[in-house]
Amino acid sequence: EPEVTQTPSHQVTQMGQEVILRCVPISNHLYFYWYRQILGQKVEFLVSFYNNEISEKSEIFDDQFSVERPDGSNFTLKIRSTKLEDSAMYFCASSRMGQGNQPQHFGDGTRLSIL
Amino acid sequence: AQSVTQPDIHITVSEGASLELRCNYSYGATPYLFWYVQSPGQGLQLLLKYFSGDTLVQGIKGFEAEFKRSQSSFNLRKPSVHWSDAAEYFCAVVNPSVNAGKSTFGDGTTLTVKP
Repeated sequence: EPEVTQTPSHQVTQMGQEVILRCVPISNHLYFYWYRQILGQKVEFLVSFYNNEISEKSEIFDDQFSVERPDGSNFTLKIRSTKLEDSAMYFCASSRMGQGNQPQHFGDGTRLSIL
Repeated sequence: AQSVTQPDIHITVSEGASLELRCNYSYGATPYLFWYVQSPGQGLQLLLKYFSGDTLVQGIKGFEAEFKRSQSSFNLRKPSVHWSDAAEYFCAVVNPSVNAGKSTFGDGTTLTVKP
């Protein structure tokens, strides 16, 4: 069964550095999402992306964050200047259609540790 | 705004016993409803989903959930728990009226299985 893949599985970065988290969504999916999960907390929505533009973003997704689909297969999340509080698990998800009855398929996540 | 409440932070059951994990949602109409399971350090695996129709839905790994509109609930059940079911369980909702609708997650319930 096709799956969403995320790289790297674990990223350690110094505070203030830029980081790019990479995702390869399922190939025929058109809608892409990023979520984060701070250790021990619930999964929180960051941003949704369709047709090469952001559909919705949360208040967490401030100017330090950006997303991009640089080619036909990758979907990236960039954090420009990382802060300690950015330490979390970041999940990418994709769905074939945008209606909620097309389930979002989640990757295994990238654990981001900011030192 | 949609919200999800999972009243039980932690549940412990004996192997072979039955299980019910509670989920209540707050939303103006009937949202799309999902249950996910997350093993430690892993991603989110979809257990089951409800969009419409039969209010009792069957999922993978022997799980089922029942949608009760009058109680705004979508409780997850399993008749006989296995040790491998120990994990974190998340209930989530999606607004069916929004294109590229985000998933809103509950805080999660940690399931411990006693031998």
